[in-house]
Amino acid sequence: GENVEQHPSTLSVQEGDSAVIKCTYSDSASNYFPWYKQELGKRPQLIIDIRSNVGEKKDQRIAVTLNKTAKHFSLHITETQPEDSAVYFCAASMYVRGSNYKLTFGKGTLLTVNP
Amino acid sequence: GAGVSQSPSNKVTEKGKDVELRCDPISGHTALYWYRQRLGQGLEFLIYFQGNSAPDKSGLPSDRFSAERTGESVSTLTIQRTQQEDSAVYLCASSFLRGEQFFGPGTRLTVL
Repeated sequence: GENVEQHPSTLSVQEGDSAVIKCTYSDSASNYFPWYKQELGKRPQLIIDIRSNVGEKKDQRIAVTLNKTAKHFSLHITETQPEDSAVYFCAASMYVRGSNYKLTFGKGTLLTVNP
Repeated sequence: GAGVSQSPSNKVTEKGKDVELRCDPISGHTALYWYRQRLGQGLEFLIYFQGNSAPDKSGLPSDRFSAERTGESVSTLTIQRTQQEDSAVYLCASSFLRGEQFFGPGTRLTVL
């Protein structure tokens, strides 16, 4: 089955700096890669996703890049703010039976943005 | 509209007892998922429902775990003869067939 590795497990940055979180996946058939943000005690929320037919996607201060050949994808957050502090999870899945349902998650990255 | 809801929010039980966890998905979402999140870990896929059918139960850890969905709506995850290693947050999510998975707040299960 799919295996997703995520690094680093913790990341501390100063407000205004950039943060980068990297994930690798094992199954070359995976074609959907979402990123979730989970604040302490809260539910995971999707912040951005990318499908395998594109190499990069941006949404304001957040961007995701995908390298299918190397089987890795990354989350980039620019101009970090204290409210960006949370655990971030990457995930991978493949399109099966009409749905990208079976998400395999990384273990998460605890991002701390210091004011 | 309302998001995904789960009940109870917290459940403390004794080893060997059975527990039922409930998920109410977003109205109209055909797909429903259960995940388990152990402390400090990522989310672990348990089971997926499309309508009332479960095409993939491969993530259920043992035969003590079962789930059902009725009316293409509410789902119940049942854990029989609970063990301490079952302690975790159980998260439910729902989506349209190819859409974003929206998560519920989770049920924190503690097995003493």
